[in-house]
Amino acid sequence: EIVMTQTPLSLSVTPGQPASISCKSSQSLLYSDGKTYLHWHLQKPGQSPQLLIYEVSNRFSGVPDRFSGSGSGTDFTLTISRVEAEDVGVYYCMQNIHLPWTFGQGTKVEIQ
Amino acid sequence: EVQLVESGGALVQPGGSLRLSCEASGITFNKYWMSWVRQAPGKGLEWVANINEDGSGKYYADPVKGRFTISRDNAKNSLYVQMNSLRAEDTAVYYCAAAGTTYWGQGTLVTVSS
Repeated sequence: EIVMTQTPLSLSVTPGQPASISCKSSQSLLYSDGKTYLHWHLQKPGQSPQLLIYEVSNRFSGVPDRFSGSGSGTDFTLTISRVEAEDVGVYYCMQNIHLPWTFGQGTKVEIQ
Repeated sequence: EVQLVESGGALVQPGGSLRLSCEASGITFNKYWMSWVRQAPGKGLEWVANINEDGSGKYYADPVKGRFTISRDNAKNSLYVQMNSLRAEDTAVYYCAAAGTTYWGQGTLVTVSS
């Protein structure tokens, strides 16, 4: 099983300031098709998860461009360039290159 | 607009059974893998099971293998999971997801308790 480790587990950010979350996988997420199957989801309070970033760095439809993803192999980062109040929630990285699909523990982002 | 609507969650006794459903709209259902993902109260996300486009391939997380059965009816744009021999640790909100985890439903709560 691929273990996904996120840091930090919680983050308190001032509006307008940047924030970043790290995600490390226990195995490479690069597949033979050249794609890397690492995705980021946000679960806002009281809501179901929503896809933010797929395959490391591709923003899903409607996701603001203040969100960006980077990384390769086993080390990945989600960056919010300027945090807004609506960005609060729990962020999860996730891999689906190998079964079982696994998620990071989640990073709770709060606004100061 | 893609919509996934789960139903069937309930309070059930340990050892009992339950069938969850997920009805999809706004997507060409028979072209996508479908999944169940659960979230225990106050906890993170846990993948439960996948099924491929035509239902011929089914995959399960170890904690549910042999007890849960995923299925789909492409004519009804619907996904199901039959859950047997339920345990307290199966208590969670169950989400259906489409196209990997591109689209998510709102979830349905399963509580296993006496």
